[in-house]
Amino acid sequence: DTEVTQTPKHLVMGMTNKKSLKCEQHMGHRAMYWYKQKAKKPPELMFVYSYEKLSINESVPSRFSPECPNSSLLNLHLHALQPEDSALYLCASSHPRGAGVKIDTQYFGPGTRLTVL
Amino acid sequence: KQEVTQIPAALSVPEGENLVLNCSFTDSAIYNLQWFRQDPGKGLTSLLLIQSSQREQTSGRLNASLDKSSGRSTLYIAASQPGDSATYLCAVRRSAGGTSYGKLTFGQGTILTVHP
Repeated sequence: DTEVTQTPKHLVMGMTNKKSLKCEQHMGHRAMYWYKQKAKKPPELMFVYSYEKLSINESVPSRFSPECPNSSLLNLHLHALQPEDSALYLCASSHPRGAGVKIDTQYFGPGTRLTVL
Repeated sequence: KQEVTQIPAALSVPEGENLVLNCSFTDSAIYNLQWFRQDPGKGLTSLLLIQSSQREQTSGRLNASLDKSSGRSTLYIAASQPGDSATYLCAVRRSAGGTSYGKLTFGQGTILTVHP
């Protein structure tokens, strides 16, 4: 199973709403990532979790709050978003370096298309 | 700061042509380089990953090369098909620095259209 799943596929929310994006993988990967992708632009890294600990926060506004409850699951909690936060949110996972099997290849989920009204 | 550039930005070819996509990066201290494919509104599919110590990788009709010293990589697609139409992204990971995860810097992508 080389699949990363993301739910929901689409999300429309108002600026006062609280919602969460969910990402799941069962490949035994211990690094998980959140990216944001605007139309016709490349993905931009937001957060990295390594062994369930937050390792990178790319100066993301606090209205985005990541959570990694276990090694298979990654959440992104959203609160008080702005219309400019509308984008495709991608989750990815990878083996830790040194794992010896296809290290470092990042496997991406299909994304959640978020629209903030 | 690492910068990744992809040329051309868009490419339209007839079916059956062999084609080359280019990727260049400014900092040669990379750990690896990865080529991805993205269909409209979808996630990224990893095509090939080349470690910094490698010169090329092949998968089916795809061949990726890496010249780390000159900061360049190419993705060669043989006998192109309409199903190859997508955006192709290259991404470099900086030197590992002891971390267990990869921080990627992406190029802007090349939009490929293969027409029948």
